[in-house]
Amino acid sequence: QKEVEQDPGPLSVPEGAIVSLNCTYSNSAFQYFMWYRQYSRKGPELLMYTYSSGNKEDGRFTAQVDKSSKYISLFIRDSQPSDSATYLCAMSLSNSNSGYALNFGKGTSLLVTP
Amino acid sequence: GAVVSQHPSWVICKSGTSVKIECRSLDFQATTMFWYRQFPKQSLMLMATSNEGSKATYEQGVEKDKFLINHASLTLSTLTVTSAHPEDSSFYICSARDDREQQFFGPGTRLTVL
Repeated sequence: QKEVEQDPGPLSVPEGAIVSLNCTYSNSAFQYFMWYRQYSRKGPELLMYTYSSGNKEDGRFTAQVDKSSKYISLFIRDSQPSDSATYLCAMSLSNSNSGYALNFGKGTSLLVTP
Repeated sequence: GAVVSQHPSWVICKSGTSVKIECRSLDFQATTMFWYRQFPKQSLMLMATSNEGSKATYEQGVEKDKFLINHASLTLSTLTVTSAHPEDSSFYICSARDDREQQFFGPGTRLTVL
C-alpha cells in the first residue's frame, strides 16, 4: 500500500462549481500537509501548507486536514478554467532525520470547462 | 512565495554525454534541496536529498555515481547526469526548503537523450 493515495481522475467540472480534491494516507507520523498545483510541463506550485488538523482558507482555496481519519482535502470555490491543472497532495514527517522529504500523491487531473 | 530557478529548462544531448542541471533559490537560503524525477502522467519521484556542505542522500534504486549532486552553497545545488542514456530522458525538478519547512519547486528541466 502506498503511503499516500490520491484518485488520479480526471475530474471535469463546469466553471463556477465547487471542486473537492482528496487524499488519504497511512503513516500517522506525517505532520505537514501541502497541496501543489502543476500545469503541464511546469514545476509544482505551492498552494496550501498546513501543519495541524482543521481548516485553512486562502482566497478561493480551503485546505482541510483530519489527522484522526488520515484524510486531507482541498476545496476550490467558484472554479475557473485557469484552475485546470494537476493537483498534488504532499506530506512530510516532522523528524529531521527524514530530511523533510515530501511524499506525494499521484495527482488529480482537473478540467474546468467554460 | 519564494522563487526557485532551474537551468537549463530543456536540454537535448547525445547518449554517453554528461548533463549538468542547476537549481537556485533566488530570494532565500536553502540548507536542504531535493531532486525529483517525473515521467509523463506520473507523480514526482524523489531521487535524492541534498544538504549544503555534505553528501547527498540518495533514495533506494538511484545510482549515486550516475546522478552526481553537489550543494556547494546555500542557494545552489547541481545535478549531473553522467553518461546519459535514452532511459534517463525525463523531467527533472528540484525543490528548496525554507526555514519554515515549506518546499518550493523549480520550473523543471526536460532532458531528452538521443
